[in-house]
Amino acid sequence: DAKTTQPPSMDCAEGRAANLPCNHSTISGNEYVYWYRQIHSQGPQYIIHGLKNNETNEMASLIITEDRKSSTLILPHATLRDTAVYYCIVRPRDNYGQNFVFGPGTRLSVLP
Amino acid sequence: GAVVSQHPSWVICKSGTSVKIECRSLDFQATTMFWYRQFPKQSLMLMATSNEGSKATYEQGVEKDKFLINHASLTLSTLTVTSAHPEDSSFYICSAKDRPSGANVLTFGAGSRLTVL
Repeated sequence: DAKTTQPPSMDCAEGRAANLPCNHSTISGNEYVYWYRQIHSQGPQYIIHGLKNNETNEMASLIITEDRKSSTLILPHATLRDTAVYYCIVRPRDNYGQNFVFGPGTRLSVLP
Repeated sequence: GAVVSQHPSWVICKSGTSVKIECRSLDFQATTMFWYRQFPKQSLMLMATSNEGSKATYEQGVEKDKFLINHASLTLSTLTVTSAHPEDSSFYICSAKDRPSGANVLTFGAGSRLTVL
């Protein structure tokens, strides 16, 4: 079973920031938070991951709470092409024996 | 960055025939690849873990004789759906880890949509 909880859907206006929450209250000390997204009829695309510090890359920012029980993915200026299902996944970074378990994710609709 | 290529991207076949889907890591070696299946409006479900040079590990409920996996090289894994039936129609997605350097993230292929008539 997925170890994360996400809202099933969210809307965001084009050009505004999209803030996608994820609850992972049972996260272990060696588990990272990964975010992927899946645009319709495509394979999942890696976005970002982190352990406890906030992370930023060219796609998004990841804000992890101090107790690590939740995180927020931020798309700073959402575009129509960001419409997708966003998955939050927790797993140990170097444990090849533990696979990525996908929950239902959050369906983000960016509106014009 | 790491790229995983799948072929074909879509295939239509008659019931009872077999279909092979290829998954290649284009710029890195992958000793382990993963095969997922996704039905409409559902999330990805892991089917099996493909290990180079050894037998695949199947998830509970996945028939290993129906979904044959071969991982003969460090850059190629194949999934063969044998004696396909309409209920096997689905979106099949493979993934691989980029190692040893990199972020140890899973890179996914674009998926292969199978329709069994």
